[in-house]
Amino acid sequence: AQSVAQPEDQVNVAEGNPLTVKCTYSVSGNPYLFWYVQYPNRGLQFLLKYITGDNLVKGSYGFEAEFNKSQTSFHLKKPSALVSDSALYFCAVYNFNKFYFGSGTKLNVKP
Amino acid sequence: GAVVSQHPSRVICKSGTSVKIECRSLDFQATTMFWYRQFPKQSLMLMATSNEGSKATYEQGVEKDKFLINHASLTLSTLTVTSAHPEDSSFYICSANSPASVAETQYFGPGTRLLVL
Repeated sequence: AQSVAQPEDQVNVAEGNPLTVKCTYSVSGNPYLFWYVQYPNRGLQFLLKYITGDNLVKGSYGFEAEFNKSQTSFHLKKPSALVSDSALYFCAVYNFNKFYFGSGTKLNVKP
Repeated sequence: GAVVSQHPSRVICKSGTSVKIECRSLDFQATTMFWYRQFPKQSLMLMATSNEGSKATYEQGVEKDKFLINHASLTLSTLTVTSAHPEDSSFYICSANSPASVAETQYFGPGTRLLVL
């Protein structure tokens, strides 16, 4: 069975500080891993993905994520948070032509 | 980039009525579209895979007769919530894959907020 876990319902960080949103996964085979962001009453926007290659993936809006196979993790990071980064973030696994989403983490960036 | 639209963006209906939600790929043809449901503060749950010209494939636990899916053309899939009840109130999101992109590249619609009174 495929599953994605986001252990934190909410992450609070001050503007300018680094942020990390955690994600771990359990899949059969090699995973395709994704991060999406969702603003209120909006659909999902693609941030980045890992398919193969370099474990550090750089995406939109200055976000990056590190694939760690031994820890089965794919944490989302940004060196310096912006207030406008406040949103709901979803980690997802693509496997067998389907997406499996984590429960989401609400990121609050305070000025 | 590819664009997926949904209509309506928000709908309020009375209990017992049926509601149709449209998902359109605006600048590409999508042989496969996906329908998700999202409860407040929860993740997206895949409801069904909509295949152009054939029957939809429903996920376990999703009532086929309750959530009717029609994918009559390469740019349009519809989800009809039949005899809606308050527990059907949710945020419904569709996604589509562009044939010009790899399969895992999904384009998500903006979602439809359904409120059943």
